[in-house]
Amino acid sequence: NAGVTQTPKFRVLKTGQSMTLLCAQDMNHEYMYWYRQDPGMGLRLIHYSVGEGTTAKGEVPDGYNVSRLKKQNFLLGLESAAPSQTSVYFCASSLFPGGAGELFFGEGSRLTVL
Amino acid sequence: AQSVAQPEDQVNVAEGNPLTVKCTYSVSGNPYLFWYVQYPNRGLQFLLKYITGDNLVKGSYGFEAEFNKSQTSFHLKKPSALVSDSALYFCAVRDKAAGNKLTFGGGTRVLVKP
Repeated sequence: NAGVTQTPKFRVLKTGQSMTLLCAQDMNHEYMYWYRQDPGMGLRLIHYSVGEGTTAKGEVPDGYNVSRLKKQNFLLGLESAAPSQTSVYFCASSLFPGGAGELFFGEGSRLTVL
Repeated sequence: AQSVAQPEDQVNVAEGNPLTVKCTYSVSGNPYLFWYVQYPNRGLQFLLKYITGDNLVKGSYGFEAEFNKSQTSFHLKKPSALVSDSALYFCAVRDKAAGNKLTFGGGTRVLVKP
């Protein structure tokens, strides 16, 4: 049982480049989330999804787009990367609405924007 | 708006001594409270949660947490710390009135010395 898998694990971009982070979960969870982790700031919610075909903005959505075309996948896109988007990105999924139960996290994707 | 504070950036403790990691919260309704742990280069792992009932909650790896409504606190405790408990610990709160999202604290790094 793989749980939540994120790809790629590491990426270096130049300012203005675009990229997509892929999150896949095999637990049949309805709810999926993208967080970014920055030192001293904990995890901040970027976007989330309450089911296939749905997405919603979180706390820090600017500069990011997401898609949930399949229940098991949640994609995070950066259309024009900026140095402020240098961070570690975590995908998570849950069986119940966020916070009613346990969130399952991937191992993270470290992104550096030069 | 809901919020959670972890007042200590780092906690140092000798192996075998009690460990406490502090967390206070602010919500408009009844809180759901969580603790997660992050080991180096890994995603967050669920430790325990409080939703209702007994104020003392027991979780994984010998950890427990005490919910104190009057002090709006949810401190994480372990009676006898192990070197392997060295990690980053996050407190999180969900306020149902604020929607189905978790708010995380900034994290507390725990260093257990042999």
